Amino acid sequence: DTAVSQTPKYLVTQMGNDKSIKCEQNLGHDTMYWYKQDSKKFLKIMFSYNNKELIINETVPNRFSPKSPDKAHLNLHINSLELGDSAVYFCASSQETRSDTQYFGPGTRLTVL
Amino acid sequence: AQSVTQLDSQVPVFEEAPVELRCNYSSSVSVYLFWYVQYPNQGLQLLLKYLSGSTLVKGINGFEAEFNKSQTSFHLRKPSVHISDTAEYFCAVSEVAGGTSYGKLTFGQGTILTVHP
Repeated sequence: DTAVSQTPKYLVTQMGNDKSIKCEQNLGHDTMYWYKQDSKKFLKIMFSYNNKELIINETVPNRFSPKSPDKAHLNLHINSLELGDSAVYFCASSQETRSDTQYFGPGTRLTVL
Repeated sequence: AQSVTQLDSQVPVFEEAPVELRCNYSSSVSVYLFWYVQYPNQGLQLLLKYLSGSTLVKGINGFEAEFNKSQTSFHLRKPSVHISDTAEYFCAVSEVAGGTSYGKLTFGQGTILTVHP
């Protein structure tokens, strides 16, 4: 069973489009995260949610909006996609904000043309 | 604010040789320290972590790391590498406040370990 899953694995789209990436974890964790890995492999946190509540919101354009319908899911919606949004997006989860081990999904490679 | 520097972007090594991947961090408060591994086209997997206690931490796949508070370092080592260890390795820190991690991981730039036969 996949612990943290993301869909889709690959996403190719045109500039200006709106797209969503879905993340689900079956570990029973309370906290979920979104990270962005750029072309130089640099990983940076974007958001984190704890029990559907936003707790970390880094300096991310308003075009990015996370949504957590329940604590097992954290989706990432991106409006008006730009070339610079091309990256690999990783979802992760941990037991709670006090926990120190984050479990990562396989990533979604977004390419904006 | 915390920061992490991985001193080597690429480390080539021959199979069965020892390897050390270097990591230094900067933080004004206590930290938790982690090493993650990323195999090609995969997500990140935790290798090991330091929370408290013994400064020598052992992880999966024969890796170990030593926390050195005075040098603010957390170098990763393996005495004998295998071809299958070829991957990218990321050092990360999480600040601790009052014994609670806020969960925000700050990553280094990554070190590509290439093991040659």
